[in-house]
Amino acid sequence: AQTVTQSQPEMSVQEAETVTLSCTYDTSESDYYLFWYKQPPSRQMILVIRQEAYKQQNATENRFSVNFQKAAKSFSLKISDSQLGDAAMYFCVLYVFGNEKLTFGTGTRLTIIP
Amino acid sequence: DAGITQSPRHKVTETGTPVTLRCHQTENHRYMYWYRQDPGHGLRLIHYSYGVKDTDKGEVSDGYSVSRSKTEDFLLTLESATSSQTSVYFCAISEGQGPSTNTEAFFGQGTRLTVV
Repeated sequence: AQTVTQSQPEMSVQEAETVTLSCTYDTSESDYYLFWYKQPPSRQMILVIRQEAYKQQNATENRFSVNFQKAAKSFSLKISDSQLGDAAMYFCVLYVFGNEKLTFGTGTRLTIIP
Repeated sequence: DAGITQSPRHKVTETGTPVTLRCHQTENHRYMYWYRQDPGHGLRLIHYSYGVKDTDKGEVSDGYSVSRSKTEDFLLTLESATSSQTSVYFCAISEGQGPSTNTEAFFGQGTRLTVV
């Protein structure tokens, strides 16, 4: 079975500052992806960034980057230069090939302070 | 945006009545999923499908059934709605073709279901 843990139910950050959201996961499989999805108040689920487990290099997408520590099963999201539009619920998600199911963490609600 | 549509978007129903939610995709993706979202739980998998007439249970499948008679449609039925099934329901689709592909799951807009 797969599990994903997000231990920070809520976080806040000043606009233009940097914030890091934490995520740990557990799986016995070797082929998997990790994702961060963003859910703003509109309820829409938006892919922020993905990381393939076989890649050692950490993924980056503009202001978003991850710190993928495979041995520690840790997958944190760093948001640089936080903007008001970053305010949302953020979900860490594990996708295991062969299992083909998405396993979600419980989410971290991020507030941006102007 | 991926072509995935959920209907209805909102529904209020009475305890004990059957309810069917529809997910329609235009992407021809193999995998389709139904999740429910509740505060403090994230999204939990109800059922999923890996092809026409091929479905399997997720972690919270009790009280729900699904059907997929066409690639593009995945129906979720609450046999006899209960207040504990009040939730936001999301449909998702995925190609699920293996670790070498640039896989991503696409989500519908969600359906808010209230059982009174």
